[in-house]
Amino acid sequence: AQSVTQPDIHITVSEGASLELRCNYSYGATPYLFWYVQSPGQGLQLLLKYFSGDTLVQGIKGFEAEFKRSQSSFNLRKPSVHWSDAAEYFCAVGDTGNQFYFGTGTSLTVIP
Amino acid sequence: DAGVIQSPRHEVTEMGQEVTLRCKPISGHDYLFWYRQTMMRGLELLIYFNNNVPIDDSGMPEDRFSAKMPNASFSTLKIQPSEPRDSAVYFCASSLGGTQPQHFGDGTRLSIL
Repeated sequence: AQSVTQPDIHITVSEGASLELRCNYSYGATPYLFWYVQSPGQGLQLLLKYFSGDTLVQGIKGFEAEFKRSQSSFNLRKPSVHWSDAAEYFCAVGDTGNQFYFGTGTSLTVIP
Repeated sequence: DAGVIQSPRHEVTEMGQEVTLRCKPISGHDYLFWYRQTMMRGLELLIYFNNNVPIDDSGMPEDRFSAKMPNASFSTLKIQPSEPRDSAVYFCASSLGGTQPQHFGDGTRLSIL
């Protein structure tokens, strides 16, 4: 069965520092991969998605993610974090069988 | 374009009462999902529909929970009778299928006293 693992429950970074959030998936074929962000009191918002092609995908708010098949990873990155990036981040994988799986989320704290 | 619309945004009620949560998906989306989010259990898929038909309800916690989708533009999640442990944020999402991103509503924060 497919699964998504986000190893880091909580991460703290300083404003202006770089960020990398980890995501590993388990899936037999080429997965459809997504990153979502959830700000307090709000629903999940799509940051970016990977279906095929270039393994480095750009998203909104300056985020990017890189698909590495050999590592079964789809890590989210941002070169310089802003205080407004503090939120919960979810990685997800979808498949052609219309199944969709979310990771358990990583909570990001940004300190001044 | 209008996103997924959920109502009410907040609901506070006493245990034993019936609770009905509502969702209007994005027009044209043929998949609709209901999730529950708590601190302890994270984001849980309760049920999803395809073309108004329930496909997988294995996440529905017990018979007190029921969901319907009478037409392509409306779905309800009902809890009867409600219990304090049902307190959570309930999200509705819609999509064009498993390979497409899900679009979430702002959720209903439910408190059962």
